[in-house]
Amino acid sequence: QQQVKQSPQSLIVQKGGISIINCAYENTAFDYFPWYQQFPGKGPALLIAIRPDVSEKKEGRFTISFNKSAKQFSLHIMDSQPGDSATYFCAASMGYGGSQGNLIFGKGTKLSVKP
Amino acid sequence: DAGITQSPRHKVTETGTPVTLRCHQTENHRYMYWYRQDPGHGLRLIHYSYGVKDTDKGEVSDGYSVSRSKTEDFLLTLESATSSQTSVYFCAISDLQGRTEAFFGQGTRLTVV
Repeated sequence: QQQVKQSPQSLIVQKGGISIINCAYENTAFDYFPWYQQFPGKGPALLIAIRPDVSEKKEGRFTISFNKSAKQFSLHIMDSQPGDSATYFCAASMGYGGSQGNLIFGKGTKLSVKP
Repeated sequence: DAGITQSPRHKVTETGTPVTLRCHQTENHRYMYWYRQDPGHGLRLIHYSYGVKDTDKGEVSDGYSVSRSKTEDFLLTLESATSSQTSVYFCAISDLQGRTEAFFGQGTRLTVV
């Protein structure tokens, strides 16, 4: 059972454009939604995260939009650069401890930004 | 980079042989995790630890065992490697569970032939 569904699988964007990656979840108990960025040959690294009490969080060119009623959240990368080319993972957790506290990851989106 | 060292970084082994992957941290974080990453599947949790000698299963634990005898070390063992266990394995650590940043190691690429 896939609890976090991520789309698209791959995305090609021109330099300067907006990259948008979407995730949907089923479990309304999730209360922490991070995005991780992974470059080839490296481990994932936290990019930005949001909690459901806010609808949007922005850090530089990266913005998370959160829609609690639709159970969806998305990552927007403004002014996309070739250096943003990487695989992006959304994730969710409940943070209550035990197995429920572990992060559940989407399947990833491979972003290519063309110069 | 967070102080996480995975060893070995690459390994080729034969079907049926035992394999142990090591994760060493210098951050004194309570939680440690083993994930596997496969194309089309993303990151899937194998086992995790919430303290010394305290471990639990993740989503894809069959065929794997773990041990944590010290805060800094978390070992992943494939008792009898199979070709389906060919993957990239990542260790991760976190200070708290879930609602905080998880730091990932560089990964171990394991090939079972």
